[in-house]
Amino acid sequence: QKEVEQNSGPLSVPEGAIASLNCTYSDRGSQSFFWYRQYSGKSPELIMSIYSNGDKEDGRFTAQLNKASQYVSLLIRDSQPSDSATYLCAVNNDMRFGAGTRLTVKP
Amino acid sequence: DGGITQSPKYLFRKEGQNVTLSCEQNLNHDAMYWYRQDPGQGLRLIYYSQIVNDFQKGDIAEGYSVSREKKESFPLTVTSAQKNPTAFYLCASSMGGGGNQETQYFGPGTRLLVL
Repeated sequence: QKEVEQNSGPLSVPEGAIASLNCTYSDRGSQSFFWYRQYSGKSPELIMSIYSNGDKEDGRFTAQLNKASQYVSLLIRDSQPSDSATYLCAVNNDMRFGAGTRLTVKP
Repeated sequence: DGGITQSPKYLFRKEGQNVTLSCEQNLNHDAMYWYRQDPGQGLRLIYYSQIVNDFQKGDIAEGYSVSREKKESFPLTVTSAQKNPTAFYLCASSMGGGGNQETQYFGPGTRLLVL
């Protein structure tokens, strides 16, 4: 059974801090990794995709991938209250999702 | 205006009734997907289709059926065999073909409730 694991949280950080979200996966052959943000009652929206080992930055967001450790993370710098949402990790083209980590950014 | 639409936004099912959830996309995507999300949970794959007239079961296909007669449309039927259908149903599409074409774009979702 292929698995994608995330800490369910909730994760609470103060405004302006760095939020760190983690995801591990079991299928060593996985090639594509995605982070989605989901506000309560809404559908997921893509934040970042990453395919190669290392870091990928987009504005305040940085995705980090380590295929040897089967680990992908999302860092959110200068966290804002509007970042408060559930963050879903998804792996590979059968789009297996983790259960999500709920993030709260406190003003 | 390109995107994915789902209807209805809310759907009520009576005991023993089959109901159909609509999903339409005008993104010219080859692949379409149906997910179920229960409160506080992640997304679980019900069915997916990589091409017209072909579809595959996901992890939780029992009690559901789909069709893919047109590229733009991928309706999901929740049958009476699905004993616990109350959930948030999400449809998604992607270009297909692997790599960054696997990025999925989601519709607004349908919330199904049992009367």
